[in-house]
Amino acid sequence: DAGVIQSPRHEVTEMGQEVTLRCKPISGHNSLFWYRQTMMRGLELLIYFNNNVPIDDSGMPEDRFSAKMPNASFSTLKIQPSEPRDSAVYFCASSFPGSGTDTQYFGPGTRLTVL
Amino acid sequence: QQPVQSPQAVILREGEDAVINCSSSKALYSVHWYRQKHGEAPVFLMILLKGGEQKGHDKISASFNEKKQQSSLYLTASQLSYSGTYFCGTEGAGANNLFFGTGTRLTVIP
Repeated sequence: DAGVIQSPRHEVTEMGQEVTLRCKPISGHNSLFWYRQTMMRGLELLIYFNNNVPIDDSGMPEDRFSAKMPNASFSTLKIQPSEPRDSAVYFCASSFPGSGTDTQYFGPGTRLTVL
Repeated sequence: QQPVQSPQAVILREGEDAVINCSSSKALYSVHWYRQKHGEAPVFLMILLKGGEQKGHDKISASFNEKKQQSSLYLTASQLSYSGTYFCGTEGAGANNLFFGTGTRLTVIP
């Protein structure tokens, strides 16, 4: 089975531009998580969805960040406008809480560089 | 709600043992351990549920003391492949999101 798929793998953009990161969770998983990882702050949870519904977005840094999950197999994280301090690796992870383990499976990440 | 990990970094020679600790200020339902190699995504190692269980596979094991809200990861007879950053993720009761610690960078040298 395919794991969590993220695209693009690398993104370089200029300050002020809009950035959209994409994620396809593992089929059958009904929870999806967006994380940001930096050297300074480590792995931070931005937002997570259960059954396509956002449950907790308290980790979203500010209004420039938004996330959607229009269906069970796709989610986006958008940054508009982007700033240099948004440079980080963004991970998407999915899990199936019904299995009783809540193990999260991470995608390969998107390395974002904002110039 | 971020758990605290210690130590922040450790260097081992092959064959030596290490312990990584994770503690939380909140009541915990479960603790998850992940390992991340440089440039890669975190990979699940094991989960421990409340009840004070211990788990292990190969030479990596872990314990969970829910009363103390702590978990420890034990690596015995370390191998070069154990190098990476280890994260604990903690889950509170009634939630299915994890809060990850700041990580422990483990380096195993020949």
